[in-house]
Amino acid sequence: DIVMTQSPDSLAVSLGERATINCKSSQSVLYSSNNKNFLAWYQQKPGQPPKLLIYWASTRESGVPDRFSGSGSGTDFTLTISSLQAEDVAVYYCQQYYTTPYTFGQGTKLEIK
Amino acid sequence: EVQLVESGGGLVQPGGSLRLSCAASGFTFSNYAMSWVRQAPGKGLEWVSASTLGGGGGTTYYADSVKGRFTISRDNSKNTLYLQMNSLRADDTAVYYCAKDSTDFYGYFDYWGQGTLVTVSS
Repeated sequence: DIVMTQSPDSLAVSLGERATINCKSSQSVLYSSNNKNFLAWYQQKPGQPPKLLIYWASTRESGVPDRFSGSGSGTDFTLTISSLQAEDVAVYYCQQYYTTPYTFGQGTKLEIK
Repeated sequence: EVQLVESGGGLVQPGGSLRLSCAASGFTFSNYAMSWVRQAPGKGLEWVSASTLGGGGGTTYYADSVKGRFTISRDNSKNTLYLQMNSLRADDTAVYYCAKDSTDFYGYFDYWGQGTLVTVSS
């Protein structure tokens, strides 16, 4: 199984500041035939289901604010929130869909400092 | 508008069975893979099972933790996904989400239901 490890487990950032969450996979999720990274990011607020933010490691889902961006390739990925807003308080998960079993990172809890 | 509505959760004793349903609307259900993802209280997300359309006729996949106990199925005529859960254990207690895959085979989850709570306890 591909193990997804996020860092940090929790993060406190001031409003308007940058937040960075890292995700590392135990093996590459880059599919050579199409040069795509099978990596997604989700946001989950309390009492709600997860919401898709980013797919193919760096493609923003429709309707997601452009302060959210994804980067990385192979085994190392980053989710960046360029200017933290109050509504961004949530738990963030990365997920690989390169192969089953699909696996998620353990989650990063983002709070306001 | 895509909608996924889960039902069938509840309290069940260890060793018991439960069948979850996910009613889908707003998209062509038969064209997409579907998955179940669960979340134990206060914990992270765990993929449980997928029903894909790949492999010529559709293929199902399971997490090792549920293999042999859970069965995923779908009725494309009713736009409904199911999860039959047998031999339930306390560590199966979780909110179970139905999720739509972005493709007919391997894909990210672009829509999620609100979830249904399964509690396994005596």
